[in-house]
Parts: sequence; structure tokens; C-alpha cells
Amino acid sequence: YELTQPPSVSVSPGQTASVTCSGDNLGNKYTSWYQHKSGQSPVLIIYQDVRRPSGIPARFSASNSGNTATLIISGTQAMDEADYYCQAWDSSTVVFGGGTRLTVL
Amino acid sequence: EVQLVESGGGPVQPGRSLRLSCAAHELKFENFAMHWVRQAPGKGLEWVAGISWDSGRVGYADSVKGRFTISRDNTQNSLYLQMNSLRPDDTALYYCAKDIGIWEDYGMDVWGQGTKVTVSS
Repeated sequence: YELTQPPSVSVSPGQTASVTCSGDNLGNKYTSWYQHKSGQSPVLIIYQDVRRPSGIPARFSASNSGNTATLIISGTQAMDEADYYCQAWDSSTVVFGGGTRLTVL
Repeated sequence: EVQLVESGGGPVQPGRSLRLSCAAHELKFENFAMHWVRQAPGKGLEWVAGISWDSGRVGYADSVKGRFTISRDNTQNSLYLQMNSLRPDDTALYYCAKDIGIWEDYGMDVWGQGTKVTVSS
């Protein structure tokens, strides 16, 4: 099973960024999203498609339908510049997308 | 403070073995599934293996199946990864990660700092 993400996305500060994740019938699976900054450990920002762990800002939201899950970052800040990975389960194994580098210009 | 601390990484020759450990602090370790995730230099995150809360279910990436074994000791709050027949493409930073749930369909909400494994002759 494969999850496909765009290699890079650019956004201006204060604007909305969208990162997509595509997979066969992905909408029938739960998707998680992780933020990974260079030199740090990954951080879970979304799980079970739309749920935010405590401490994650409300500007992070997500959706999942059909073959595509989407991470949305509203009012993007410079601190949001990072790699973002989607993740799902398939046949009792975990799959990560290839990652998307978000650049805040 | 909730914390995962990995150890056991280092340089190793191809074909040799290595055992990684992950010690959990300040969390109810026995209640959650656990995973090993790695990141090779310049690459993305790759799930390596996972184990359910009670060790009843385990899963492996195809790239390590038959070579790596995940295990846990809930009495010692510890997770392990036995890595045999190591190859140069196993070179990576290996993270230990705690799941929110007992097995599938949640996410990994606590991560260690990682332990580096370098496979080279």
C-alpha cells in the first residue's frame, strides 16, 4: 500500500497551506499527520483523520475522504516550516507517505 | 516527564547483529502499542515494526521481515528491536514511538530522540 504526497509546498506567512496525501480508498482508513523539523523528533499533529492531540494549535486541521487526506494549516507561521508526513494502517502494517517539505516564504 | 530513551545504536559491519532498546519513563507503558520508525540519511520516515500492548500482535515492514524482531517487556517498561543480517541500507536514525492506542488506527504521540545505526564495512 502506498501513500503519495507532493514533495514540496510553499506558502506565504498568514496564508493557508494544504498538504495532500493520496492512497487507494484512503478515506476508509484512519490517517495521522506528523510534523518533523530538522534535528528534532516527529510530532503527532492529527490522528484519526481530524483529532488534534492536546497542545497542538487549532490552526492545524485535516480531512479525509475518497482517496485523499488533506492537512490544512491556517494562518501559517514561520515556525510551521517543516516536513509533514501522513500515515495510515493497511493489513496490520503502518505506512508513511513520502513526506512534504513545507516552505514558508 | 513522559519520555522514551533509545540506546544500542552504533557502527556495525554488514551481516552482523545489533539490539536496540527503548526505556519508557513516566507513562503506563503496558497500556499502549509501541513502534520502531527509522529515517535514513536524506530520506523520509519509514515504519520498521510495531507491537501491540500485550505482545499479541506484531507487524514488520517488508524491508526487515525475517531479519528484525520486535519485543517488549512490560514489567521493565522496555521495548526492543533485535536486528540481524544487517545491510548498509539499514543505516538510519531509529526512533522508538508510543502509540495512542493498543494496536491499529491511532497515532504515535510520544517519540524518543533516536539512536543512530550505521552499517558499513
